[in-house]
Amino acid sequence: AQSVTQLGSHVSVSEGALVLLRCNYSSSVPPYLFWYVQYPNQGLQLLLKYTTGATLVKGINGFEAEFKKSETSFHLTKPSAHMSDAAEYFCAVSERRDDKIIFGKGTRLHILP
Amino acid sequence: DTGVSQNPRHKITKRGQNVTFRCDPISEHNRLYWYRQTLGQGPEFLTYFQNEAQLEKSRLLSDRFSAERPKGSFSTLEIQRTEQGDSAMYLCASNGANTDTQYFGPGTRLTVL
Repeated sequence: AQSVTQLGSHVSVSEGALVLLRCNYSSSVPPYLFWYVQYPNQGLQLLLKYTTGATLVKGINGFEAEFKKSETSFHLTKPSAHMSDAAEYFCAVSERRDDKIIFGKGTRLHILP
Repeated sequence: DTGVSQNPRHKITKRGQNVTFRCDPISEHNRLYWYRQTLGQGPEFLTYFQNEAQLEKSRLLSDRFSAERPKGSFSTLEIQRTEQGDSAMYLCASNGANTDTQYFGPGTRLTVL
């Protein structure tokens, strides 16, 4: 069975500092990996995804993530945090391109002025 | 492309009542998914359709829950004899034959009193 573990339910970083949100997954097949963001009172928005090919994936709003098979990780990073990045971030995994998605419990990112 | 829409956005009901939610996917998207998100948790998969066929149901979907997609377009999720534990955000997503991205609607927030 697939699963996702997000380390840290809350992460605080100063504006302009590096953002690092950690995600480890478990999958018996080559995974499809996703990061979604959820702003207050809004739906889920896809930040980026890994399907096949290049292991460093770039997404919207300056975020990127690296698929590391040996570490079963898919950590999300952004070089310089902005106040508008404050939101809930979900890492997710799927077995196939059109299969159900298994989500982690989420990490709430706080940006300190 | 107007995105995935869900109605109503909010529903307050008394325990024991039946409720029905509607999801309109992005036009031409053949796959439609239902998820449930409780406070402080990531979305959990409930069920999904390919066209009008319901392909998978989670064990979370008790016999009080039923979902339909009669013409392969919009879908409804009905909860009978609601319980307080049903209070959650119900999310709908869709994707098409040529995409591996699920697009989420804004959700229906259910409160059972």
